[in-house]
Parts: sequence; structure tokens; C-alpha cells
Amino acid sequence: GAVVSQHPSWVICKSGTSVKIECRSLDFQATTMFWYRQFPKQSLMLMATSNEGSKATYEQGVEKDKFLINHASLTLSTLTVTSAHPEDSSFYICSAQIAGVPDTQYFGPGTRLTVL
Amino acid sequence: AQKVTQAQTEISVVEKEDVTLDCVYETRDTTYYLFWYKQPPSGELVFLIRRNSFDEQNEISGRYSWNFQKSTSSFNFTITASQVVDSAVYFCALDLTDSWGKLQFGAGTQVVVTP
Repeated sequence: GAVVSQHPSWVICKSGTSVKIECRSLDFQATTMFWYRQFPKQSLMLMATSNEGSKATYEQGVEKDKFLINHASLTLSTLTVTSAHPEDSSFYICSAQIAGVPDTQYFGPGTRLTVL
Repeated sequence: AQKVTQAQTEISVVEKEDVTLDCVYETRDTTYYLFWYKQPPSGELVFLIRRNSFDEQNEISGRYSWNFQKSTSSFNFTITASQVVDSAVYFCALDLTDSWGKLQFGAGTQVVVTP
């Protein structure tokens, strides 16, 4: 089956630092990847859509300068939380769509970010 | 606007009891997909089912069953003979044609199964 990995699985950082989270499709090509954020005991909220070779599109209310997304290859998208603050602490989950199959996507295991 | 409603915040059952999770969705699209995911304490989403809007057949997979009723815009999920390992948060999600892949999740229902 299609596998999506995320790295790191968890990270603790100091306020003001930047953190990069990687999302990789291990056995398929993904022209589109999605980034979701989940606060404790809440649902998943879509942050942005990452398309290979083009700029990401952000959902309303998501600061694009704070959450930098790069989708440089068909198997890798990165989310960088810049100048992280405690309120950015959350569970970040990516998903990847198989190229040419828009109605199927696979989720990564998530990255838990804690900002002190 | 909330397009997927899971009215039950938490359901507690004793092992071997059946539990039904409700999901009501809202859309004017005629083509869409509905999903159910399980999220155990580890956090990783586990895919359970995908159903397209043209397939109203109910589905059974082991102890899991789903009831899709377009007339009431509902896609309910039943776990039969629950087990402790079923304890998790369950999410219903909607995928619309004008935004394929951008899943809209319900608030989730926490299921607690005690021995």
C-alpha cells in the first residue's frame, strides 16, 4: 500500500526558532500534498495545499509567511514553521495524493510540535 | 460553515456492546466522497472507508458497518461487539469535487470501550 512518512515524529523547540517538517511519499509520486493542523482534542483543519513545482495555496486565516511550504519534488513536501511560538504547538499531519488519482490520498503519521 | 457534523462528542460503552457514530454532512454537490478515519492515541489516522455519493449501498467489513442515507445526508458508522482496541477518536470527512483532496473533517467522536 501507499506509504507516507513524516520527519520528525516529534520536536520540541524554543520560542523564536524555526522548525522544518518533512512529508515524503515513499512508494508513489504525489503531485499534490496537503498539510493539516490538529490542536489537542480538536479536529483536523486544512492549512494549505502543496503542489509540486508551484506555490502552495493557503486556507483562509493561515499565515503563509509563517508556515512556509515547499514541494520541490514529486515525493517531498516540507513545512517550515518560522519563528515558532507556543501557540504553534500542535500536531501537524500531511497527506499525499497519488499523481493522476485525485480522489485518493494517504496520510502521514503526524509530527507533534511543542514550542517552549 | 461546518459541513460535517458529528454531534456525539464522546461515547462510552462496555466491551461487546454495539456503538453507532453519527455523521451528517452538508453539500449541494452531486458528486462527492465521504470518509471515516480512526485516530488512536498514537495520533496516526487510520483509513476505514471511502464512499462516493453515487453508491448508497451499505457496507460491512468485519465488525464495522456503514449506513449511507443520501436522503438525510447521513453516513453513520457502527462498530459491532466493541473491543477495547476500538477506543479511539473517529472522524467523518467530506471531499467535494471543487476541492478534491481538501478533506473537511467533522469534530470527531471519542469512543471509550471499557472491559
